[in-house]
Amino acid sequence: GPKVLQIPSHQIIDMGQMVTLNCDPVSNHLYFYWYKQILGQQMEFLVNFYNGKVMEKSKLFKDQFSVERPDGSYFTLKIQPTALEDSAVYFCASSLAGQNTEVFFGKGTRLTVV
Amino acid sequence: TQTVSQSDAHVTVFEGDSVELRCNYSYGGSIYLSWYIQHHGHGLQFLLKYYSGNPVVQGVNGFEAEFSKSDSSFHLRKASVHWSDSAVYFCAVRVGGSALGRLHFGAGTQLIVIP
Repeated sequence: GPKVLQIPSHQIIDMGQMVTLNCDPVSNHLYFYWYKQILGQQMEFLVNFYNGKVMEKSKLFKDQFSVERPDGSYFTLKIQPTALEDSAVYFCASSLAGQNTEVFFGKGTRLTVV
Repeated sequence: TQTVSQSDAHVTVFEGDSVELRCNYSYGGSIYLSWYIQHHGHGLQFLLKYYSGNPVVQGVNGFEAEFSKSDSSFHLRKASVHWSDSAVYFCAVRVGGSALGRLHFGAGTQLIVIP
């Protein structure tokens, strides 16, 4: 089936540094999402993105976070600067459109901030 | 407060047993319900969804779920589990009225199937 690819699968970074997480969504999808999952806890919505804009974001989407998808390339989540509490698995997702369409998830990027 | 509640954090059964994983929600209006499975160290894999029509929906690998508006529930069931069904199962609600509706996840239920 359709796949969402996330690169890298693991990332270790020093606190205060910048990190960019990359996502290659399903090719014809129009809506993109980032979710955060701290180890052993539930999935939490961060942000959704459509037509080049952030449409909705949660309280977890701090000012240090940003997303973009320049020219149809990777959909990226950038954290600058990183903090220890940013350590989590970040899942990218995409959907075609509409509320009753399936949302496809990537395998996640495990971010460890040290 | 709008919530998705999965009352059982862990469920343990033997291979071949039937299982029901419970999901209740408190959102009103039109909603889109789904279940996902997450094997250890992997991402979410879609199992099934409900938006309208027949309240019993079939998914992959023999899973089915039943929507009940009166109970605000969307419980997941399987008649005969296999050891490979061991994973964490997440119920998710997508609120209607917007194509951008985000998924609200429950806390997950870890299913352990003893061979």
